[in-house]
Parts: sequence; structure tokens; C-alpha cells
Amino acid sequence: NAGVTQTPKFRVLKTGQSMTLLCAQDMNHEYMYWYRQDPGMGLRLIHYSVGEGTTAKGEVPDGYNVSRLKKQNFLLGLESAAPSQTSVYFCASKGGNQPQHFGDGTRLSIL
Amino acid sequence: SQQGEEDPQALSIQEGENATMNCSYKTSINNLQWYRQNSGRGLVHLILIRSNEREKHSGRLRVTLDTSKKSSSLLITASRAADTASYFCATSTGNQFYFGTGTSLTVIP
Repeated sequence: NAGVTQTPKFRVLKTGQSMTLLCAQDMNHEYMYWYRQDPGMGLRLIHYSVGEGTTAKGEVPDGYNVSRLKKQNFLLGLESAAPSQTSVYFCASKGGNQPQHFGDGTRLSIL
Repeated sequence: SQQGEEDPQALSIQEGENATMNCSYKTSINNLQWYRQNSGRGLVHLILIRSNEREKHSGRLRVTLDTSKKSSSLLITASRAADTASYFCATSTGNQFYFGTGTSLTVIP
């Protein structure tokens, strides 16, 4: 039982490049979330999904897109990476009223 | 931003002592949750307290909630070196979650 798996774990991009972060969960959870964590800022919600085929904006959605084509996967895309998007990205999932389960993060540096 | 704040930002104690950290938040809540984050890892859920509860216990953890002051506290009793981590409170509005800025706890063996 893997829980929440994030791919890749580390990545370095150049400004303007694009990439997709993958989150996969094997707990049949309806809800999935993408957060970014910056020093002194705690976690901030980027986008979330309440079910397959649905997405919604969180607190800091600008510069990111997401897709939830399959219930178990939630993809976060950066179309044109900027240095301000250097951060640690966390995915989480939850079922019903249960707590969120988090992945171990993707450390992204943009030069 | 609806992000809450934890206080203190950092806390260093000796093993066996108690650790108390506080969380203040800004909006009305249905519940408040506390999470732990070990270095380089994701967050792990510790305990949830509902808005109609004032205190909750789980093992060595004790959480209080004062909705009139929009604040919560987490007490870890008889701390251990393994408790060294960052601790975050989180509140939710609808489907969105708001995390505090975290308290970094160091327990010295």
C-alpha cells in the first residue's frame, strides 16, 4: 500500500521550460490537493479536485494548471516556469471526512 | 490570506519536558487539525478537534480549542527525541484547507 506517490522527487528547470508533476494515490480517495511550501509561509493550496474530471482553484493558482482524468491521478503543470515557482510541492488526498494523506514532496528549482 | 500562524516559530526543549505550541486562525471553522512534518517528508495527521469541542487527547498529545479567540494549542507531554519535527495547524473552509506557518520543535536527548 503506497499511499500517495509523487513523481519526480527532484527537478531543476530553466526559466520558461514546462513540466508536469504527477501525484498518484491508491486509496480510492475522492479529494486530491496540490500545495506549495515555501520557507516561513507554511503550505498554500494551489489547486484541488473533489472528484474525477473536476478541478478548482485554491489560494495561489496563477501559473499552474491541473488535470484529474483518472480518479487516482492528479497532475500539476507549469507551462512556463518562473523562478518564483521554486518551491517544494506536496500532493495530498483524502476520502470523505477523513484527514489528508500527503506525499513526500517534489523539490523544484527554477533557474 | 487566510493562513494561520503558529507561535513560537521555533522551540527547543530537553527530552522529557513538555512542549506547547499555539495556533491562531482568521475565519470561522468546522474543525482544526494538527499535522507533523519530519525533515524532508510530507505532513502526517496527528489529531482533529471539532468546533464544538474544547479539548481532545490522543496519547501524549493534548489539543485545546478556543473559538472565541480563534486559537488552538498543542501540548506534547514527556517529549522524546523522535518528536523533533515541524508542527502545523490547519483549518478548512468548504473544500479548501489553510495551514499555519508552523512551529519547529527540537527535542534534545
